[in-house]
Amino acid sequence: KNQVEQSPQSLIILEGKNCTLQCNYTVSPFSNLRWYKQDTGRGPVSLTIMTFSENTKSNGRYTATLDADTKQSSLHITASQLSDSASYICVVSATNGAGKSTFGDGTTLTVKP
Amino acid sequence: DADVTQTPRNRITKTGKRIMLECSQTKGHDRMYWYRQDPGLGLQLIYYSFDVKDINKGEISDGYSVSRQAQAKFSLSLESAIPNQTALYFCATSDPPPTDTQYFGPGTRLTVL
Repeated sequence: KNQVEQSPQSLIILEGKNCTLQCNYTVSPFSNLRWYKQDTGRGPVSLTIMTFSENTKSNGRYTATLDADTKQSSLHITASQLSDSASYICVVSATNGAGKSTFGDGTTLTVKP
Repeated sequence: DADVTQTPRNRITKTGKRIMLECSQTKGHDRMYWYRQDPGLGLQLIYYSFDVKDINKGEISDGYSVSRQAQAKFSLSLESAIPNQTALYFCATSDPPPTDTQYFGPGTRLTVL
């Protein structure tokens, strides 16, 4: 069964600090991995997407890494801002033709002043 | 204007009532999805459609039905609403493979009393 596990479940940091969120997956055969940001009560918004051949992708202060061998990804947030407070969701797609994605439960990040 | 719109944004109904949630998109995507999200949990796939003539059940389709009226429109119905269907419902479209990036609507908050 395809699974995506994220850690930690929640995280509290001070404004200006960096943090790293983790995603482990068992989806196979792997197609791509995406990170989304979801503000409370709103729909997720795509941050990064990585295919098998990519091991890092940046979007402003967000940098995602992918290790396809160990089936792990991380999302690093640099110089956090209060607006970074949100849920961050890891989503992995398989290349088996179904086109369905497997969603992690997300990491809830709270940035405090 | 938003690429993916959902109506209504909020709805309170009673047990046993039939409810329809509507979704429209202007991205020209063939692929559309309906998800539900319970507090603190990840997104669960209800139904998905890869084109107007293609409808597929997701993980939690029991108690729900869908209609793909056109490429741009995908409706979700609760035939006889029950309290445990109280949740946040999201419609999404996606780029075709291999990108698969999904674009979510703003969500519909449904409360079944």
